[in-house]
Amino acid sequence: ELKVEQNPLFLSMQEGKNYTIYCNYSTTSDRLYWYRQDPGKSLESLFVLLSNGAVKQEGRLMASLDTKARLSTLHITAAVHDLSATYFCAVDLSGTYKYIFGTGTRLKVLA
Amino acid sequence: EPEVTQTPSHQVTQMGQEVILRCVPISNHLYFYWYRQILGQKVEFLVSFYNNEISEKSEIFDDQFSVERPDGSNFTLKIRSTKLEDSAMYFCASTPRLAGYEQYFGPGTRLTVT
Repeated sequence: ELKVEQNPLFLSMQEGKNYTIYCNYSTTSDRLYWYRQDPGKSLESLFVLLSNGAVKQEGRLMASLDTKARLSTLHITAAVHDLSATYFCAVDLSGTYKYIFGTGTRLKVLA
Repeated sequence: EPEVTQTPSHQVTQMGQEVILRCVPISNHLYFYWYRQILGQKVEFLVSFYNNEISEKSEIFDDQFSVERPDGSNFTLKIRSTKLEDSAMYFCASTPRLAGYEQYFGPGTRLTVT
């Protein structure tokens, strides 16, 4: 069974600081996705990573994928309050129509 | 910009009643999904649907659940006899192709079973 784990589960950080969220998954997949969810809202796509070594950046967020280590990271640079949200990674199982989401990381950026 | 829509936004029902949650995926998308999220928890895959049939389903998606695309635009999730533990947020999503594409999520339907 595919497991997708994130850590930390909760992250409270000061504005201006850097931090990394980790996403580990338990089976082979070349495709990993990051989503953001604001409280009471739906999920918004942030990044699609489709191969080993893929790196994508948007504003203060940068995501990378290491398929050999089965690890993706979401790096936050100089955090601002607007980044406060829950971040989910998701993996789709090769050859299937199934996406498995990670446990989520609830990020709170303190002013 | 095209978006996935869902109705109703909130549904309250009594235990044992049937509910139908409705979704209109993005018009040129081919793959459709239902997820649920119990408050404050992770997003759980329920079912995927392509070419008018179920492609994949999870252990959660038992005989009480069914999906249908009754016409060219709607995609529905039916729960035949609701239980208290079915209370959750239900999200519909769609993608244009099978793999390597972000999923576009609807705003969700909050289902409350009393």
